Parts: sequence; C-alpha cells; structure tokens
Amino acid sequence: QKEVEQNSGPLSVPEGAIASLNCTYSDRGSQSFFWYRQYSGKSPELIMFIYSNGDKEDGRFTAQLNKASQYVSLLIRDSQPSDSATYLCAVSTGGFKTIFGAGTRLFVKA
Amino acid sequence: NAGVTQTPKFQVLKTGQSMTLQCAQDMNHNSMYWYRQDPGMGLRLIYYSASEGTTDKGEVPNGYNVSRLNKREFSLRLESAAPSQTSVYFCASSGGRLAAFQETQYFGPGTRLLVL
Repeated sequence: QKEVEQNSGPLSVPEGAIASLNCTYSDRGSQSFFWYRQYSGKSPELIMFIYSNGDKEDGRFTAQLNKASQYVSLLIRDSQPSDSATYLCAVSTGGFKTIFGAGTRLFVKA
Repeated sequence: NAGVTQTPKFQVLKTGQSMTLQCAQDMNHNSMYWYRQDPGMGLRLIYYSASEGTTDKGEVPNGYNVSRLNKREFSLRLESAAPSQTSVYFCASSGGRLAAFQETQYFGPGTRLLVL
C-alpha cells in the first residue's frame, strides 16, 4: 500500500517565524510532489510542486525534496495568521493516481 | 471563469437512496477526478477520467459509478447510499498537457454528504 505520512499537528508558530512541515512517502518510484493548502471548509489549492531533489523557492515558500530519504518538506518564512490552514502533501508515482497525506494543521499566532 | 463547480453543496440522504453528484469545469481540461475526504484520512481517489470517453477506478470505487458526459462534465453516482459514504466529495480537473504525474489538480468547492 503506497502511503504518504504527515504529522497531523497542530503545529503552532508565532507570527513572523518559519513554519516547517514534513512529509514522508513509501514508494521509491514517486516522481512528483505537491503541497496543497486547505482552509477549513474549503477545497485544496496548490502551493507548490517539486520534481527534483533539492530546494525550490516561490516567495515565502520553499519546498525541499530528498528522494534518497523519501521525504519532502515545506518551509513557510515570515508566517502570517492567514497561513493558518491544513497543508496536504501529495505524491504521484506516475499516471493519474495521486496519493494525499492526511494533512498537517498549522496555526500562526498573531 | 468559474473553474470547477459542483452541485449540490450539501445533501442528506437516507440509507438506500440514490443520488448523483455533478461536476463541471470550464478550463478545457482533459482529465477529471472524484475524491472523498474523511477526517484524518486525507483525500482518497474514487474514480478518474483521463480523457473524454474513458473512466478508471481509483483507490475506493466500491459503491460508486461515474459518467464522463462530455469534456466538461463528470458525474458521480451513489446507487444505494450507505452511512459509510458520509463524507465530503471533491471533484478535480487537470489540464492533460503535461505528463499526468506532473499535472496540478484544480478542485471544486466540494459536496458535503450525510447518509442517515
């Protein structure tokens, strides 16, 4: 069974701090990695995707991928209360099937 | 541009009743998906349609059927609802211009279903 594991949280950080969200996956054949943000009662929306080992930066967000260790992380710099949401890690091994983690709840304290 | 739309937003069914969840996208995407989201379990793929005219089972297809009516519309049918199907259902679409595993999925607002 292919799995994507995330700490459910909540992860609580003060405003302006760096939030670090982690995700591990079981299938070594995984090729694409996505981070979605989901506000309470809303639908998921894409934050970032990463395909290659290393870091990828987009504004305040940095995705990090380490295929050898089978983990992917999302760093949020200068965290804002508006970043408070559940962050879903998603992994695709090819084809049309994407496996989603259960999500990490992030709470940014003003 | 409405993106992905879903109807209804909320629905209460009795055990054994049937219903169809509707989904439409106006982004000219090739691929469409149905997921269910349960507390603590993340999104699980029910069915997907890689392109118009094709449908395939996902991780949890039992108790559901789908129809890709045309390129825009993808419906999910519960023939005989069970309490275990109480969930939030999301429809999603993706462009189909990249390899499937690279595609970003765009989600509809969801349908909250309660089966009594």
